[in-house]
Amino acid sequence: NAGVTQTPKFRILKIGQSMTLQCAQDMNHNYMYWYRQDPGMGLKLIYYSVGAGITDKGEVPNGYNVSRSTTEDFPLRLELAAPSQTSVYFCASNWASGGETQYFGPGTRLLVL
Amino acid sequence: AQTVTQSQPEMSVQEAETVTLSCTYDTSESDYYLFWYKQPPSRQMILVIRQEAYKQQNATENRFSVNFQKAAKSFSLKISDSQLGDAAMYFCAYRTTNSGGSNYKLTFGKGTLLTVNP
Repeated sequence: NAGVTQTPKFRILKIGQSMTLQCAQDMNHNYMYWYRQDPGMGLKLIYYSVGAGITDKGEVPNGYNVSRSTTEDFPLRLELAAPSQTSVYFCASNWASGGETQYFGPGTRLLVL
Repeated sequence: AQTVTQSQPEMSVQEAETVTLSCTYDTSESDYYLFWYKQPPSRQMILVIRQEAYKQQNATENRFSVNFQKAAKSFSLKISDSQLGDAAMYFCAYRTTNSGGSNYKLTFGKGTLLTVNP
């Protein structure tokens, strides 16, 4: 049981480039989330998904897109990278039935230059 | 909207001593969940402890315990017998009990960096 996995661990992008951050979970959780963590700040929600085929925006969705074709995978797409997207990105998941705890992946550190 | 405030950007404690990290929150809801997450230098987010607002008894997990004051909207974390491995950033987080949609998201404070001195 690997829990929540994320790839890559670290990436440097040039302004205007695109990339996809991968997230997978093997706990059969229905809810999945993408957060970003800026220096000195807590995590903010980018997008979330309540199940395969269903996604919705969080607090800071601009510049990102997501898809969820399977229960296990929830990739985050950056189309035109900007310096403001330099951050650490966390994927999380939980089984939504009341107070289920969210489990986090190890994070992806992204640097946009 | 709910907010979570951690007023101590940094704290330090001597090994084997006790330290308390503060967290206050603002909400109009009567039922919710509160969490403390630990983020070591590896950046992995690790759940330390959680509290359900309808439970009056304070949660405890080994050396970690909370002081939950619902009326004061305060949720502090006490670490007893501090160990070098406790050094990390600690985040307080809030989650509503309302179901569906983005209600399951966590609202985080800005964190408290804990240093443990040998």
